[in-house]
Amino acid sequence: DQQVKQNSPSLSVQEGRISILNCDYTNSMFDYFLWYKKYPAEGPTFLISISSIKDKNEDGRFTVFLNKSAKHLSLHIVPSQPGDSAVYFCAASVTDSWGKLQFGAGTQVVVTP
Amino acid sequence: EAQVTQNPRYLITVTGKKLTVTCSQNMNHEYMSWYRQDPGLGLRQIYYSMNVEVTDKGDVPEGYKVSRKEKRNFPLILESPSPNQTSLYFCASSFTGTGYGYTFGSGTRLTVV
Repeated sequence: DQQVKQNSPSLSVQEGRISILNCDYTNSMFDYFLWYKKYPAEGPTFLISISSIKDKNEDGRFTVFLNKSAKHLSLHIVPSQPGDSAVYFCAASVTDSWGKLQFGAGTQVVVTP
Repeated sequence: EAQVTQNPRYLITVTGKKLTVTCSQNMNHEYMSWYRQDPGLGLRQIYYSMNVEVTDKGDVPEGYKVSRKEKRNFPLILESPSPNQTSLYFCASSFTGTGYGYTFGSGTRLTVV
């Protein structure tokens, strides 16, 4: 039973526009959330994270929003660039379960010129 | 260069023939983990390790074994591979256990026929 869900398998967006990726979770014990980016033939790379004590974290073009009551987080990419075309994974962990990290199914983002 | 090295990158084997996928990290990380990636299911954790001789099951441990005899190495063992273990495998390591800054290897594509 997947506790981290990304219900949109793919997203197409024009260069320069905003990309919004969504993630839902079911385990209320999760208190640390992350986004990873993956290019073909490479391992995932860490992108941005947020702790449950915050509702927003920003890093350059990337912003993650957390809505704990809805058990929902989102990743905003502004502006989208062709190099952002990749698979994005949402992940979640519980602070006292060190090492156990659960991922969603991923969203394929395609940024078109 | 800080990295996680997996070998082999590609492997085709027959049902029942024992195999080992090696994983080594040069960052002195305490936490290491194995994931498998399957279409529509994302990354699922197989096993993780918090330190030498300390390992625990992830979400899909059946059919796999691991060992952590040295801090830098975390091999994944399939004692009797079956076709449903055909997948893309990733090893990862981290200084913390929350997933922050997890460094992934480039992946091992395993096919069991």
